[in-house]
Amino acid sequence: EVQLVDSGGVVVQPGGSLRLSCAATGFTFDDYAMQWVRQAPGKGLEWVSLIRWDGGATYYADSVKGRFTISRDNSKNSLYLQMNSLRPEDTALYYCGKDSGRRRYNYGIDYWGQGTLVTVSS
Amino acid sequence: DIQMTQSPSSVSASVGDRVTITCRASQGISNWLAWYQQKPGKAPKLLIYAASSLQSGVPSRFSGSGSGTDFTLTISSLQPEDFATYYCQQTNSFPHTFGGGTEVEIK
Repeated sequence: EVQLVDSGGVVVQPGGSLRLSCAATGFTFDDYAMQWVRQAPGKGLEWVSLIRWDGGATYYADSVKGRFTISRDNSKNSLYLQMNSLRPEDTALYYCGKDSGRRRYNYGIDYWGQGTLVTVSS
Repeated sequence: DIQMTQSPSSVSASVGDRVTITCRASQGISNWLAWYQQKPGKAPKLLIYAASSLQSGVPSRFSGSGSGTDFTLTISSLQPEDFATYYCQQTNSFPHTFGGGTEVEIK
């Protein structure tokens, strides 16, 4: 059974840093692109970032480019999101997600973590 | 970046109704569109990928169509468990933008 467990969300001050983690089980981790999607309280979904199955390519939303870094450790079946220079508008529930296509980017997210809440506030 | 516009933003419907949600891309995305269902307090669920392919385990009352810039999600006969918010997402090019969502409410 595929399972994704997000963690690392806390309350942090503006300008601060945070690293989110996502532990994956139940599938061949290094065959799938992984991504982060966030949802501000009461708002819609916002795509944040994606990393290729081998870590060889990364992509970001304009709103986080230069501040967030996605990475993965295939030996640990884990995904990460390093978040720097945090702003109040980064406050959201952050979900990790598994791409549904093996070694593809185009087939949507078929498994999601439970979400981890990041609150940026002084 | 490609902008995704969903309409309507909300729809009131009754059990058994046919419901259609539209998603328009600001430029052509071939058939690289996914649809998700989200219920309150839950993670989204993938319904449709590649515009018209039904994700495994999703009931056949859900269907998707379209290509290029205009897409639709149709629920042929609305069931009580279908009341939720629906999102489209383009997966043609990065960033993989989502639409603003359509809330399907009970009439």
